[in-house]
Amino acid sequence: QKEVEQNSGPLSVPEGAIASLNCTYSDRVSQSFFWYRQYSGKSPELIMSIYSNGDKEDGRFTAQLNKASQYVSLLIRDSQPSDSATYLCAVTKYYTGNQFYFGTGTSLTVIP
Amino acid sequence: EAQVTQNPRYLITVTGKKLTVTCSQNMNHEYMSWYRQDPGLGLRQIYYSMNVEVTDKGDVPEGYKVSRKEKRNFPLILESPSPNQTSLYFCASSLRQDVNIQYFGAGTRLSVL
Repeated sequence: QKEVEQNSGPLSVPEGAIASLNCTYSDRVSQSFFWYRQYSGKSPELIMSIYSNGDKEDGRFTAQLNKASQYVSLLIRDSQPSDSATYLCAVTKYYTGNQFYFGTGTSLTVIP
Repeated sequence: EAQVTQNPRYLITVTGKKLTVTCSQNMNHEYMSWYRQDPGLGLRQIYYSMNVEVTDKGDVPEGYKVSRKEKRNFPLILESPSPNQTSLYFCASSLRQDVNIQYFGAGTRLSVL
C-alpha cells in the first residue's frame, strides 16, 4: 500500500473556477502534510504546509486536513492559467524521523 | 541569493562507471536530502541527513551512497550505476528549526546506458 495516494488527473478547470486536489495517506501517525507545486521541467516548490485538523488559508490557496479520514486537500480559488502544474502531496511521520513520502502528483490545467 | 545548487544538470554515463552528483546549499541548513523522480512513481527519498556526519536511509537507498562532511555539501554517489538508476534527481535542504519546509535544487537528469 502506498504511503500517499493522489489522483494523477489530468484535472482541467476553467479560469476563475475553484480547483480541488485531493490526497489520502495510509499511516495514521503521519505528522505533517505539505502541498508542492511543480511546473514542467522544474523543481518542486512548497505552496502550503498544514499540521492540525481543519483549514489553513494563504491567499488563493486553502489546505484542508482531516486526520480521522486520513485525507488532505488543496483548494485553489480563482484559478489562473499560471496555476497549471503538477501538485504533489507529501507527508512525514514521527517515528521515521524526518523522512518524506510524496504522492505521484495531480496534473492541473487551467483553461483560459 | 539563497539556493541549492546541483551539478551536473545533465549526465549520460555507462553502466558501472562511478559518478558523483554534488549538492551545495548556502542557507546554513542542517537538513539535506536526495530524491529521485520517475514517471508514475513520483518523488522518492533516497537518503537524508539531519546534520554533519548524520545520514539516514530513505525509501530507495539501494545502489546509492551519501556523505555529509560539511554542513553545506551533501554529495550523492553511485558506485556502480545501472540503467534502473536512470532518473531525475533532486537535492533539497531546510532549516532545522522548520525542518519540513524544503527548498529544492534544479535537478540532475541522469541517463545510465
